[in-house]
Amino acid sequence: DAGVIQSPRHEVTEMGQEVTLRCKPISGHNSLFWYRQTMMRGLELLIYFNNNVPIDDSGMPEDRFSAKMPNASFSTLKIQPSEPRDSAVYFCASRGGTSGTLREQFFGPGTRLTVL
Amino acid sequence: AQSVTQLGSHVSVSEGALVLLRCNYSSSVPPYLFWYVQYPNQGLQLLLKYTTGATLVKGINGFEAEFKKSETSFHLTKPSAHMSDAAEYFCAVTSGGGADGLTFGKGTHLIIQP
Repeated sequence: DAGVIQSPRHEVTEMGQEVTLRCKPISGHNSLFWYRQTMMRGLELLIYFNNNVPIDDSGMPEDRFSAKMPNASFSTLKIQPSEPRDSAVYFCASRGGTSGTLREQFFGPGTRLTVL
Repeated sequence: AQSVTQLGSHVSVSEGALVLLRCNYSSSVPPYLFWYVQYPNQGLQLLLKYTTGATLVKGINGFEAEFKKSETSFHLTKPSAHMSDAAEYFCAVTSGGGADGLTFGKGTHLIIQP
């Protein structure tokens, strides 16, 4: 399996522009998570989906952030408009289930976002 | 609410010495606990996890951790450090019930001295 795939790996944009981050989870996994990593705040959960349905978006910083999962093999995280403080590494992770050994989350390589 | 505290943002050990990275958690329900490792400019890789059963858990690369409920701890150890162990290590917790996300500690940067 190719693992969790994220694109782009690096994104540089200017303040005010729309940014879309993409994630393809591991085939067969039914949960998908978006995390953000910054020096100041560490790793934070933004939102997660079970069976393509958003379950908890309480970590989404503000209305400029939105996430969708139109099908089991694709998710997007969109920032509109972007601001310099959104600069971070954004990770996507997927999980196969919720019991025992299936509780492991597999992480993608991340998207490093820089907003100028 | 859950939380994770990792004592020491940086830990330095000599090659061949014991590695001990500390993690304490807070959870109102039985926790599932994880240690992840992150190498520079890479994603997170699972080292080991505790869900139920045996409290001493063995992971990859010679690491192990022990779940101690009375101390709310899940410290990570390795008997003999190797240069390749230099990385950032994260302890994380999720609750035992429900399909929720991970709450991470701030991370510990492990430095291996030659």
